[in-house]
Amino acid sequence: TQLLEQSPQFLSIQEGENLTVYCNSSSVFSSLQWYRQEPGEGPVLLVTVVTGGEVKKLKRLTFQFGDARKDSSLHITAAQTGDTGLYLCAGDISNFGNEKLTFGTGTRLTIIP
Amino acid sequence: GAVVSQHPSRVICKSGTSVKIECRSLDFQATTMFWYRQFPKQSLMLMATSNEGSKATYEQGVEKDKFLINHASLTLSTLTVTSAHPEDSSFYICSARAGGGDNSPLHFGNGTRLTVT
Repeated sequence: TQLLEQSPQFLSIQEGENLTVYCNSSSVFSSLQWYRQEPGEGPVLLVTVVTGGEVKKLKRLTFQFGDARKDSSLHITAAQTGDTGLYLCAGDISNFGNEKLTFGTGTRLTIIP
Repeated sequence: GAVVSQHPSRVICKSGTSVKIECRSLDFQATTMFWYRQFPKQSLMLMATSNEGSKATYEQGVEKDKFLINHASLTLSTLTVTSAHPEDSSFYICSARAGGGDNSPLHFGNGTRLTVT
């Protein structure tokens, strides 16, 4: 059973459009992270959210952590071809700080020029 | 910034042989490292937690005798896939956390693509 469900699984949009990716769980997370992974490489951290309701912005990317700390969203404004990649959310459900991350199912984003 | 290096980046081996993958933290010490595997078009699945100076902790369903983990120093963890079979072909990724606390960044290696023929 996948603890973190991402939607959509695949998304292909035109350059300049906006999009939102969702990460949902029935578990509460002490923290949640978003990563982007390019083919043949390891994931690269984009952001960490810790507080319920927290909103963080990274240039054209806006990340939100749900009030109950069970879900998160990533919104990209005016998508660019460089945004293409696999987006992964990941969270620590242990609340014991044992550093184990559970990864979401992933969203493969393709931006069409 | 903190860097995690994996070696080799790609390896092809014959069925029945063993393959060792190295994960190094280049500019920080890591008492704990994590090993993941990723199948094509899928997400990362945690295999085991590598603990410096002690036994690794394996996730449910991961055979510890098949995937041997050694974390002999604060900067090196190795994963050995023993008696590899084609179904072991996958992308293996390690990670380590620089600094203390569960909110400090988790740095990932660039992965090792294993192909067993």
